[in-house]
Amino acid sequence: EVQLVGSGGGLLQPGGSLRLSCSASGFTFSSYAMTWVRQAPGKGLEWVSGITGSGGGTYYADSVKGRFTISRDNSKNTLYLQMNSLRAEDTAVYHCAKAVETNWYFDLWGRGTLVTVSS
Amino acid sequence: DIVMTQSPDSLAVSLGERATINCKSSQSVLYSSNNKNYLAWYQQKPGQPPKLLFYWASTRESGVPDRFSGSGSGTDFTLTISSLQAEDVAVYYCQQYYSAPYSFGQGTELEIK
Repeated sequence: EVQLVGSGGGLLQPGGSLRLSCSASGFTFSSYAMTWVRQAPGKGLEWVSGITGSGGGTYYADSVKGRFTISRDNSKNTLYLQMNSLRAEDTAVYHCAKAVETNWYFDLWGRGTLVTVSS
Repeated sequence: DIVMTQSPDSLAVSLGERATINCKSSQSVLYSSNNKNYLAWYQQKPGQPPKLLFYWASTRESGVPDRFSGSGSGTDFTLTISSLQAEDVAVYYCQQYYSAPYSFGQGTELEIK
């Protein structure tokens, strides 16, 4: 089955760190760019970060640049998001999604994992 | 950075009637070398991840009913549902993939009148 399964979310205090994972199956993971998109409670979609299939290119929203790092392990079919210096405004459901070839629109989405940053 | 603005923020339409959602980009997302608009539309139902509806502004994703259509070019785009069905209740988002950061519109919530 073609799917993405996110994990790693949780409750943590401001300033903390967390690593999200997204496990892919059913397609040739290394052939596709991947992305993280977040959605704060009751709010819209916010693109967070993207990475090319090889991992050689990474891109970030200004709101997370310098604090978040996207990476992937193509041997494990897994996408990661390392989140440091977390803030209350980072509270959201984090979805991983698969890009289409070399174009950054997304045809497969994971259900998302909730990150809550609160003291 | 490209800013995407949708209108309206919410919309109530009677079953069987037409629904129209607009999306405007702060700069053109038409790439002149291939004459393609780097614009996608998504549908998100409560508790679910987004679902791709259209890419290249008007190319329907496989499995999307043909009552849905996408149009527009440059900076102005439209998603139209020709005859609203109950299962179309959702929030709809446009997204530009012309340049990073690959921004979304704020969303349009579609309800039944």
